[in-house]
Amino acid sequence: GDSVTQTEGLVTLTKGLPVMLNCTYQTTYSPFLFWYVQHLNEAPKLLLKSSTDNKRTEHQGFYATLHKSSSSFHLQKSSVQLSDSALYFCALTGANTGKLTFGHGTILRVHP
Amino acid sequence: DMKVTQMPRYLIKRMGENVLLECGQDMSHETMYWYRQDPGLGLQLIYISYDVDSNSEGDIPKGYRVSRKKREHFSLILDSAKTNQTSVYFCASSPDNYEQYFGPGTRLTVL
Repeated sequence: GDSVTQTEGLVTLTKGLPVMLNCTYQTTYSPFLFWYVQHLNEAPKLLLKSSTDNKRTEHQGFYATLHKSSSSFHLQKSSVQLSDSALYFCALTGANTGKLTFGHGTILRVHP
Repeated sequence: DMKVTQMPRYLIKRMGENVLLECGQDMSHETMYWYRQDPGLGLQLIYISYDVDSNSEGDIPKGYRVSRKKREHFSLILDSAKTNQTSVYFCASSPDNYEQYFGPGTRLTVL
């Protein structure tokens, strides 16, 4: 079945530094990848999505590129802010079943 | 503005009691979901509903059942709740079987 791997459980950074959160996946179908962000005590919200190979997608200063050759969809930002502190999920759907497979999530903590 | 609602937001029950969690959406989305979220485990799919009375088990359906009698409402039922069902439950809906919109969650504690 499908799987999503997020290697970092917790990333702690100083405000203003760049960040990359890793996401790799496995599927036998054509992949559609997502990044969701969940702030404390809130619902997950869609941040980015892509199904196009080698095309960068951007939103709210975050960006990611789907690389089918390496089965990756890493999330990046050039300069993190305090408000970026949240839980970030990478998710995959492959077969248009409507089912998303989520990674376990990466907590991003940004301090002053 | 697309909206998914959940009621109640907080619930405390005793082991063995029945639990009803309600979810609503005003977007006429066909597909709806119930997830639970536990620390370190991410979001686990309990049930998916493709439309009225068209429900399918997710990855962890044991101990849960669902009901969808109207497109805009999707209920999660725990018959005789157990302490290990203490969790945060999220409902979601999707217009296209890809992008999902999540509700605010219900924090359930089973004592």
